[in-house]
Amino acid sequence: DTAVSQTPKYLVTQMGNDKSIKCEQNLGHDTMYWYKQDSKKFLKIMFSYNNKELIINETVPNRFSPKSPDKAHLNLHINSLELGDSAVYFCASSPLRGEKLFFGSGTQLSVL
Amino acid sequence: GENVEQHPSTLSVQEGDSAVIKCTYSDSASNYFPWYKQELGKGPQLIIDIRSNVGEKKDQRIAVTLNKTAKHFSLHITETQPEDSAVYFCAAYAIHNTDKLIFGTGTRLQVFP
Repeated sequence: DTAVSQTPKYLVTQMGNDKSIKCEQNLGHDTMYWYKQDSKKFLKIMFSYNNKELIINETVPNRFSPKSPDKAHLNLHINSLELGDSAVYFCASSPLRGEKLFFGSGTQLSVL
Repeated sequence: GENVEQHPSTLSVQEGDSAVIKCTYSDSASNYFPWYKQELGKGPQLIIDIRSNVGEKKDQRIAVTLNKTAKHFSLHITETQPEDSAVYFCAAYAIHNTDKLIFGTGTRLQVFP
């Protein structure tokens, strides 16, 4: 049973396209996150939701829009993809805000 | 906001030796310090964490120490094994309005048999 699952694992697309990454957790956690990991492995928070409510919205371009239909799901939609968006995107969930995060296995996004 | 620095960026040790990774944080309000291990192609996994009211915590071969005055915390791995090879991240968290978990820049540990 995968605790935090995200799809797809790999995403290769052209500049200018719109794409979505889906995330689901079966741990019953209230808080979910999106993190971006760049080529130097630096992990940076993008968004955090608590019980479907947006808690953290970092200085992320508004081309990125998270959506949480229920507390078990947090999807990420990206409009007008740019080369600089290429990275690994991780979804995570936790029982308490900021503590004991469980990460998914990541989505490697390559924008050509 | 919080800033977490991590050293070294790479660390190579012989199997059986100890490994130490150090982090410093800037926000004195930070009160929770986890360590994550990321294996190739996987997401980070929590391996140990410590709160600011504790100076040291151990779990088998891994231990974390915290010096609140100096704003330092460290991960110690004893009797290293090849399967300890991974990227390790420290992080710091403070309950503010934005309550974000801020990660260090990572340490790539290689354990040679």
